[in-house]
Amino acid sequence: ETGVTQSPTHLIKTRGQQVTLRCSSQSGHNTVSWYQQALGQGPQFIFQYYREEENGRGNFPPRFSGLQFPNYSSELNVNALELDDSALYLCASSRQGASTDTQYFGPGTRLTVL
Amino acid sequence: AQSVAQPEDQVNVAEGNPLTVKCTYSVSGNPYLFWYVQYPNRGLQFLLKYITGDNLVKGSYGFEAEFNKSQTSFHLKKPSALVSDSALYFCAVRATNFGNEKLTFGTGTRLTIIP
Repeated sequence: ETGVTQSPTHLIKTRGQQVTLRCSSQSGHNTVSWYQQALGQGPQFIFQYYREEENGRGNFPPRFSGLQFPNYSSELNVNALELDDSALYLCASSRQGASTDTQYFGPGTRLTVL
Repeated sequence: AQSVAQPEDQVNVAEGNPLTVKCTYSVSGNPYLFWYVQYPNRGLQFLLKYITGDNLVKGSYGFEAEFNKSQTSFHLKKPSALVSDSALYFCAVRATNFGNEKLTFGTGTRLTIIP
């Protein structure tokens, strides 16, 4: 098991609502990346946070936003939820500046939008 | 743009036989390549990575992968499969330029080891 934790484990929301997912990074890691894994697909990069700033973003609309805190933990916020947002959301922590470092993933949050 | 192809959605192997899970990639410049495994209702677990150096990389649980630059491939292998190896396997690529740590994943290969 990695030291990356995510909460909650499961979440059910209705269309139009807002959701916040949380991630605590592994000790010694300063970078958090978020991925969306739809059913039967590989994970898709949403964005990455380093030094409390967004450091790269994938092809996701602005209603997907995030934060990183001084302790390197992170939040993913999704506004105006759509049915297609139903997925497993994964966070991964790593060490920026150690470009060969590995991203270690948490167990994920399963979001269901009804 | 970077991309990964895993041409086989499903691979079935008899227990004790060697296994191969295929991966090809496309990226500008030299690649960093990774294999992850996912068990049901779990996150991704790191298996191994290629950064530079020896083309044969050894990882966790007896897995290894061979980097082939001319064929842009990074196939995952194991000499003798175990039933417990049954899971979903993902290949991923990352560009080597500093600050770009985005991983691009393939669509995954479901490996089933038959007792």
